[in-house]
Amino acid sequence: ELKVEQNPLFLSMQEGKNYTIYCNYSTTSDRLYWYRQDPGKSLESLFVLLSNGAVKQEGRLMASLDTKARLSTLHITAAVHDLSATYFCAVDIWRGQETSGSRLTFGEGTQLTVNP
Amino acid sequence: DTEVTQTPKHLVMGMTNKKSLKCEQHMGHRAMYWYKQKAKKPPELMFVYSYEKLSINESVPSRFSPECPNSSLLNLHLHALQPEDSALYLCASSQDPLAAYYNEQFFGPGTRLTVL
Repeated sequence: ELKVEQNPLFLSMQEGKNYTIYCNYSTTSDRLYWYRQDPGKSLESLFVLLSNGAVKQEGRLMASLDTKARLSTLHITAAVHDLSATYFCAVDIWRGQETSGSRLTFGEGTQLTVNP
Repeated sequence: DTEVTQTPKHLVMGMTNKKSLKCEQHMGHRAMYWYKQKAKKPPELMFVYSYEKLSINESVPSRFSPECPNSSLLNLHLHALQPEDSALYLCASSQDPLAAYYNEQFFGPGTRLTVL
């Protein structure tokens, strides 16, 4: 059974600081997604990582994937208050056509609070 | 049109009521999903439809009944729910569930359900 672990689960940081959220998963996969969720809202897709060594950046967020270590990171640079949200990583494993439909396994989420 | 829509946004129902949630997408996606999300938890997969056929039922109680009338529409019929069923219900869609390449899921805004 695929397990996805995120840490930390709670992160309080000051504006202007840098930090990294980690996402470990238990089974080989080369499909990893990062989502952002604001309170009471839906999931917003941030990054899709599809190969070993993949790195993507959008504004103050940068995500990377190391499939050999089964690890993805979400790095926050010079945090601002608007980044306060819950961040989920999710892993998908190709299960073959007989089990149609991708099945995402989510981490528990990291609740990020950026303080002035 | 690149979005998934859900109606209603909020729903309050009694335990004896029958109601339905609706999800629609016009991206030509052939997989559609229902998730349940409790506060501060990751989404939990409930059902997957692939090419309008139910492909995955994650042991969901029969008081939840999904329906996929066509490739663009997904319903979730609710009957005799319990207060613990109160949650955010998210619909998602993805392009081709039978493809071996990545199958990113796009989420709708969700329906906030309260069962009294």
